[in-house]
Amino acid sequence: GQQVMQIPQYQHVQEGEDFTTYCNSSTTLSNIQWYKQRPGGHPVFLIQLVKSGEVKKQKRLTFQFGEAKKNSSLHITATQTTDVGTYFCAGPKAAGNKLTFGGGTRVLVKP
Amino acid sequence: GAGVSQSPRYKVAKRGQDVALRCDPISGHVSLFWYQQALGQGPEFLTYFQNEAQLDKSGLPSDRFFAERPEGSVSTLKIQRTQQEDSAVYLCASSLVQGDYGYTFGSGTRLTVV
Repeated sequence: GQQVMQIPQYQHVQEGEDFTTYCNSSTTLSNIQWYKQRPGGHPVFLIQLVKSGEVKKQKRLTFQFGEAKKNSSLHITATQTTDVGTYFCAGPKAAGNKLTFGGGTRVLVKP
Repeated sequence: GAGVSQSPRYKVAKRGQDVALRCDPISGHVSLFWYQQALGQGPEFLTYFQNEAQLDKSGLPSDRFFAERPEGSVSTLKIQRTQQEDSAVYLCASSLVQGDYGYTFGSGTRLTVV
């Protein structure tokens, strides 16, 4: 079945530094979504990418969808303590289908 | 309502007990999903409703798990004869249409089976 993998599993970042987390799917995706889950909280929708090669920015967060629509990345610049949490990517196997979530990247920020 | 509401927030069940978890989605949201999230893992799909129709239940781990959404709004996830491996956070999510839009998750129900 469809698998979604995320690397790294853990990301320790010094406050103010940049980092990138990656998401890879075993199948082509109609779209890719990113969610953030704060410790003790629930996943919160961040963004959806649909087009091949699409790039979207939200303040210090930059999201990219691969040309083959099988991978995606999230780049955070000038990391802040508010960025702490687990970032999940998720994709449907086909349009309108259920989302399959990756295992997440747990981000810890050192002040 | 303004968001997806789940109750109870926490549930402790003795092994063998039946439990019922409730989800009240955002008004007007057609799609409703149940996910199970183990500690340190990503959410795992359980089942999906479009209005009152259960279109996909392929993720339900066993026949002890049952979900319903009789009037196309509130949904209940029932687990019969709970076992320790059922301990997890059960997340409900809704979306406006068939899942090509971001989900809005509820706060979840943390189930602990002792």
